[in-house]
Amino acid sequence: SQQGEEDPQALSIQEGENATMNCSYKTSINNLQWYRQNSGRGLVHLILIRSNEREKHSGRLRVTLDTSKKSSSLLITASRAADTASYFCATDENQGGKLIFGQGTELSVKP
Amino acid sequence: DAGITQSPRHKVTETGTPVTLRCHQTENHRYMYWYRQDPGHGLRLIHYSYGVKDTDKGEVSDGYSVSRSKTEDFLLTLESATSSQTSVYFCAISDRDSYGYTFGSGTRLTVV
Repeated sequence: SQQGEEDPQALSIQEGENATMNCSYKTSINNLQWYRQNSGRGLVHLILIRSNEREKHSGRLRVTLDTSKKSSSLLITASRAADTASYFCATDENQGGKLIFGQGTELSVKP
Repeated sequence: DAGITQSPRHKVTETGTPVTLRCHQTENHRYMYWYRQDPGHGLRLIHYSYGVKDTDKGEVSDGYSVSRSKTEDFLLTLESATSSQTSVYFCAISDRDSYGYTFGSGTRLTVV
């Protein structure tokens, strides 16, 4: 089952621009998480937002969560070439199940 | 990540042979997970463990078994490998269920 669906599937921007990725999910959650995957590597945890939070920041990352719309967005500000990677959202299905990952957004940041 | 290692990194095997992938952690985390990653499917949970000898099935467990006899090791076995099990396999660990996973570097398995 696919809990999180990311949008867009692919995004190409210039260095210095902001990148926004969206995630929609289906069931009630305790938390939503974002991960980054560089080519050929494992996923790296970026940020976790709890269901009672609406916005969270970490460095150049900003995550919002709208539980009424069952959606989240990840904003990367002032992007760098090193941000080129795939980004995945993950949710705990039905508040306590294991993490379910979406298919990811492939971000390309051109120098 | 230094706290979690997967072996082997790459493996080619023949259809019908058993294969065991190993995940080893040095973080003493209670929870361990096996996922497979395929184009068009993202990551899908195969099996997970919430302690020594405590394991359970995930979304795509058919054809796979697991064992956890020690906190630090979580083994994934393909009992009789099939071409549909060609994939990249990731192990993940967590000290709290469904919170902040740390992933290994993956094992690329090809079944010919």
